[in-house]
Amino acid sequence: SQQGEEDPQALSIQEGENATMNCSYKTSINNLQWYRQNSGRGLVHLILIRSNEREKHSGRLRVTLDTSKKSSSLLITASRAADTASYFCATELVQGAQKLVFGQGTRLTINP
Amino acid sequence: SQTIHQWPATLVQPVGSPLSLECTVEGTSNPNLYWYRQAAGRGLQLLFYSVGIGQISSEVPQNLSASRPQDRQFILSSKKLLLSDSGFYLCAWATGYDGNTIYFGEGSWLTVV
Repeated sequence: SQQGEEDPQALSIQEGENATMNCSYKTSINNLQWYRQNSGRGLVHLILIRSNEREKHSGRLRVTLDTSKKSSSLLITASRAADTASYFCATELVQGAQKLVFGQGTRLTINP
Repeated sequence: SQTIHQWPATLVQPVGSPLSLECTVEGTSNPNLYWYRQAAGRGLQLLFYSVGIGQISSEVPQNLSASRPQDRQFILSSKKLLLSDSGFYLCAWATGYDGNTIYFGEGSWLTVV
């Protein structure tokens, strides 16, 4: 089964609102990353948080990591229509480094 | 700067036909290389990864194979395609350090008919 699982599977909000997506994983990790995918395109790296970090910011993105709960969240503030995409978390496992294991993704729709 | 090229972008192949998807990376040396597959509306499944020339690790048993004949070239192949091989195939590379951020190509849509 997949290491990472995003929640919710789909999220639809109004432009300007904040969007929160969650990711849970099962085994110990070196780091956790969030990626974005526009429909039919390749994935684009958004942010990386290491296992010894608890929070990280990049522009309108805020990522948290709770290793005790094996979970992470991605917050997009002041959402825009252009943020409409699928968002994936990916984990680099402690055992099995050099590769990333992706979750199923959250489909985010921003309504204008 | 580094770039990744993947081709063809779309492919329609009959069942039982062979497959070859090619990926090359420019602007870096000795990258980790990856092949992922994404079924429609689903997450990414890691198929193969390589940390060096001729070194291929397979993640799932399947009808596909991968080869790395050159440092920055990664090829995904099949001798006989199955209907279940249809999907979106993504090549990716990483430096192998600095958190191993992965950089993706634009993908190849494969439809087996």
